[in-house]
Amino acid sequence: DIQMTQSPSSLSTSVGDRVTITCRASQGISNYLAWYQQKPGKVPNLLIYAASTLQSGVPSRFSGSGSGTDFTLTISSLQPEDVATYYCQKYNSAPLTFGPGTKVDIK
Amino acid sequence: EVRLVESGGGLVQPGGSLRLSCAASGFTFSSYAMNWVRQAPGKGLEWVSTISGSGGGTYYADSVKGRFTFSRDNSKNTLYLQMNSLRADDTAVYYCAKGSAATTFRTPFDSWGQGTLVTVSS
Repeated sequence: DIQMTQSPSSLSTSVGDRVTITCRASQGISNYLAWYQQKPGKVPNLLIYAASTLQSGVPSRFSGSGSGTDFTLTISSLQPEDVATYYCQKYNSAPLTFGPGTKVDIK
Repeated sequence: EVRLVESGGGLVQPGGSLRLSCAASGFTFSSYAMNWVRQAPGKGLEWVSTISGSGGGTYYADSVKGRFTFSRDNSKNTLYLQMNSLRADDTAVYYCAKGSAATTFRTPFDSWGQGTLVTVSS
């Protein structure tokens, strides 16, 4: 099975800073990669799919890139409401594995 | 508006069984693959199972294969997850989630229910 890893596992930075989260697949998955945001105590929410397509209603400060095995989620200017854990997920075929998550906090 | 409402969670003893349901509305239910995802307390997301729109295809994580059965009743717009031989490490919030397109795979999860908590403990 393909394994998904994320780095860093957590980060704490200031409002307005640029945040970059990396997701790596152990084998190529083309662009079948999604990013989800889960705010504390809330349900996961789809942010980005097909590695770089923004889901409707998601602020444009979020962007995604990558293909194959290496992917990136970028928040161009961190806002207080972005405090959350971010998960990547491969969805090309079963198992539809999630990454372990990256917790983003405000310093 | 898509709405997914899970039910059936609760406290069960190790080795016991439980059946979760997920009532769906706001979309053409039979046209979409559906999924279960779980989250143990304080832990990350774990994909559990996927079912095709027709119900003819089901796929499971190794951790639940042979113990869980995912089914759907398209006449009632409802999903079911039958969980048998439950173990302590099955303790989690269970979410049902909708695929964003008609295909079983190659579609992310664009809508999620609020989840139902399953606790396996003696």
